[in-house]
Amino acid sequence: GAVVSQHPSRVICKSGTSVKIECRSLDFQATTMFWYRQFPKKSLMLMATSNEGSKATYEQGVEKDKFLINHASLTLSTLTVTSAHPEDSSFYICSARGEGVGYEQYFGPGTRLTVT
Amino acid sequence: EDKVVQSPLSLVVHEGDTVTLNCSYEVTNFRSLLWYKQEKKAPTFLFMLTSSGIEKKSGRLSSILDKKELFSILNITATQTGDSAIYLCAVDNNQGGKLIFGQGTELSVKP
Repeated sequence: GAVVSQHPSRVICKSGTSVKIECRSLDFQATTMFWYRQFPKKSLMLMATSNEGSKATYEQGVEKDKFLINHASLTLSTLTVTSAHPEDSSFYICSARGEGVGYEQYFGPGTRLTVT
Repeated sequence: EDKVVQSPLSLVVHEGDTVTLNCSYEVTNFRSLLWYKQEKKAPTFLFMLTSSGIEKKSGRLSSILDKKELFSILNITATQTGDSAIYLCAVDNNQGGKLIFGQGTELSVKP
């Protein structure tokens, strides 16, 4: 199946700093990427949908100035958590779908963000 | 509002038992229903269901969809400790590939 990678897998940062998480499709062109957030023992909450070359569409309640999403190429999308606070600590997962790899979304391994 | 509800939220069984996980949904524009298994990291794909009454099977796992009653079940027979995970049900509501996830069922299989 198609492979999606995320980097870093784990990051610890101080309050007030910004953190960038990368999501890459390794063997296919991802026309659409999705960013999710997951709290412990909870389900995935969709944050935003990003299509290559256009602005991301954010879900209700997700601050677009807080969670900056860029999908500049068909293989890379980034999520930047700006001015991070402890409540932003969470597991962030991206997924991608694209041409030539069927219909499913392929998930990255996730990034564990801890804000101290 | 579109929603997906899974039950039970958690389940503890012994090796060899058979389990049935439930997923019901209410969406305005159904396209497909998907099941995922999540262990420590990101979800891994199990099944995608689009048509009623057609069972999908993979080893000890099987799943079926009922579009009239708006639910799906995931069966796991002869459970093993390696089946311990969170099982997620998601529905594609035909809005550019967005998935609406249920709360998940946390399955624990004891030796």
